[in-house]
Amino acid sequence: DAGVIQSPRHEVTEMGQEVTLRCKPISGHDYLFWYRQTMMRGLELLIYFNNNVPIDDSGMPEDRFSAKMPNASFSTLKIQPSEPRDSAVYFCASTQIAGGGTDTQYFGPGTRLTVL
Amino acid sequence: GQSLEQPSEVTAVEGAIVQINCTYQTSGFYGLSWYQQHDGGAPTFLSYNALDGLEETGRFSSFLSRSDSYGYLLLQELQMKDSASYFCAVPTSGTYKYIFGTGTRLKVLA
Repeated sequence: DAGVIQSPRHEVTEMGQEVTLRCKPISGHDYLFWYRQTMMRGLELLIYFNNNVPIDDSGMPEDRFSAKMPNASFSTLKIQPSEPRDSAVYFCASTQIAGGGTDTQYFGPGTRLTVL
Repeated sequence: GQSLEQPSEVTAVEGAIVQINCTYQTSGFYGLSWYQQHDGGAPTFLSYNALDGLEETGRFSSFLSRSDSYGYLLLQELQMKDSASYFCAVPTSGTYKYIFGTGTRLKVLA
């Protein structure tokens, strides 16, 4: 398996622009997580899905952030409009719980977002 | 509230043994995980403890004491490639909403 795939790997944009981050989880995994990592706040869970359904989005910082999972193999995290304080590394992770799987999370390589 | 505390930095020499501690405060407890992250890389899973005691995986071991709300990661025969940040993590009660510790940066010296 190719592991969790994220795109783009790097994104530089200007304040006010829309940013869309993409994630393809590992095939067969039933949970998908979006995290944000910064020096100041560490690794924070933004939202997670189970079988494509959002379960907990309490970590989403504000209405400018939205996430979707239209099918089992694709998810997006959108920021509109973006602000400089959104600059961070965004990770997607997936895991399989159903069928006796453990909750080991497999992280993608991350998207490094810079908002100027 | 829920929180995990780790030392911010640990330094050791090649071949040595190092212990990274994690104390947690959660409303419920389902297990303690450890992840490794190299600079510029993604977190990768190392170990998981649901029950008290020691879990060994090669050079790495992880220990949990639920009564003390405490765990540690033990790294033996340190190698330069072990220089990385190490995070403990717990899921909040009844969910898969994970909270990660602030991370411990391990520096291995030659």
